[in-house]
Amino acid sequence: GESVGLHLPTLSVQEGDNSIINCAYSNSASDYFIWYKQESGKGPQFIIDIRSNMDKRQGQRVTVLLNKTVKHLSLQIAATQPGDSAVYFCAENPSSGYSTLTFGKGTMLLVSP
Amino acid sequence: EPEVTQTPSHQVTQMGQEVILRCVPISNHLYFYWYRQILGQKVEFLVSFYNNEISEKSEIFDDQFSVERPDGSNFTLKIRSTKLEDSAMYFCASSDRDTTYGYTFGSGTRLTVV
Repeated sequence: GESVGLHLPTLSVQEGDNSIINCAYSNSASDYFIWYKQESGKGPQFIIDIRSNMDKRQGQRVTVLLNKTVKHLSLQIAATQPGDSAVYFCAENPSSGYSTLTFGKGTMLLVSP
Repeated sequence: EPEVTQTPSHQVTQMGQEVILRCVPISNHLYFYWYRQILGQKVEFLVSFYNNEISEKSEIFDDQFSVERPDGSNFTLKIRSTKLEDSAMYFCASSDRDTTYGYTFGSGTRLTVV
């Protein structure tokens, strides 16, 4: 079936490094994608989003890249900080006009001081 | 910053019992959602709710689940007869529009069925 998945379950980096978290999606009809951060004991927190008519979108220290050809999404975090340690989920809106989200399984980002 | 509030933060219940999970969405939001996350797995959509009725529901949301907006501020998820496999984090979310823009999630209720 259609799914959103992540390549790396755990990513360990040093403080100050740049982090890249990847996500593969299989539903070519999806037109909107979101990255969420989830800290322990908390709900998903919106980080950045991108529509399918864009290839790249930048926020504060974060960049999302969308490659529709290979159905791949990535989240880049610049100058990673210990406070960035969390689980990161990609999510897609799989059916235009509806407001539900399909989440990937998540990648744990561990940032060492 | 406005928040979605969920209570309780942790609920332990015996198998077969009914539970009600409560959520207070952001005050000007009109669209409400429940998602769940089984430990170690991805977040899964359960149901969306607008104008006092269900807009969409997943195959997980079977007859043992129901949602209600009993007053102007609360949004509840009821599980009539809990099963062990209902143990999960349940997240409420709300939005001010009928898209995934502007989704705000609560911190979740951890439901443990024993």
